[in-house]
Amino acid sequence: SQKIEQNSEALNIQEGKTATLTCNYTNYSPAYLQWYRQDPGRGPVFLLLIRENEKEKRKERLKVTFDTTLKQSLFHITASQPADSATYLCALAFYNQGGKLIFGQGTELSVKP
Amino acid sequence: NAGVTQTPKFQVLKTGQSMTLQCAQDMNHEYMSWYRQDPGMGLRLIHYSVGAGITDQGEVPNGYNVSRSTTEDFPLRLLSAAPSQTSVYFCASSYSGTEYTDTQYFGPGTRLTVL
Repeated sequence: SQKIEQNSEALNIQEGKTATLTCNYTNYSPAYLQWYRQDPGRGPVFLLLIRENEKEKRKERLKVTFDTTLKQSLFHITASQPADSATYLCALAFYNQGGKLIFGQGTELSVKP
Repeated sequence: NAGVTQTPKFQVLKTGQSMTLQCAQDMNHEYMSWYRQDPGMGLRLIHYSVGAGITDQGEVPNGYNVSRSTTEDFPLRLLSAAPSQTSVYFCASSYSGTEYTDTQYFGPGTRLTVL
């Protein structure tokens, strides 16, 4: 079955630095990949989507890369701020699953002032 | 728009009790789904629906029932609660559910404890 892995350990960085989060998957290549942000006690909120034929996507301070050879997506937050502290989830959709998403377990990011 | 709403926010049940978690959306989305979130496990799909009158099982459907009589509502029923069902439950909706680029909109969650 398809497996998705994100950094299980929390990521602690200093304000102003770039945070890089990893999402690895096994077996089949996804049709597209999404990244969500989740704050404590709240539901996930969509951030970015990248398709299988796209290498990179940007939105303000966020950047997502997608390497189908490595079976990996990287999520970058540049000039990080304490307000960026949250758990970040990657989610993949596959051609044989319709629109259903399979989520990773999430990586907790903590940005210290 | 209220988006996706869920009630209750918190619930404590005893083993064997039944209850219904409510979910509603006002965005006219066709696709609705229920996930459970456990520490270290990520979000796991319980049941989903691609439109009124149509439901299907996800990854972890056992012990749960759903129905979809209207586009707006998608309740999740626990038939006989077990401690293993202690979790946080999220309802989500998206425009069609058949398009690979659909964004999921999540509700605020229901935290359920089964004693």
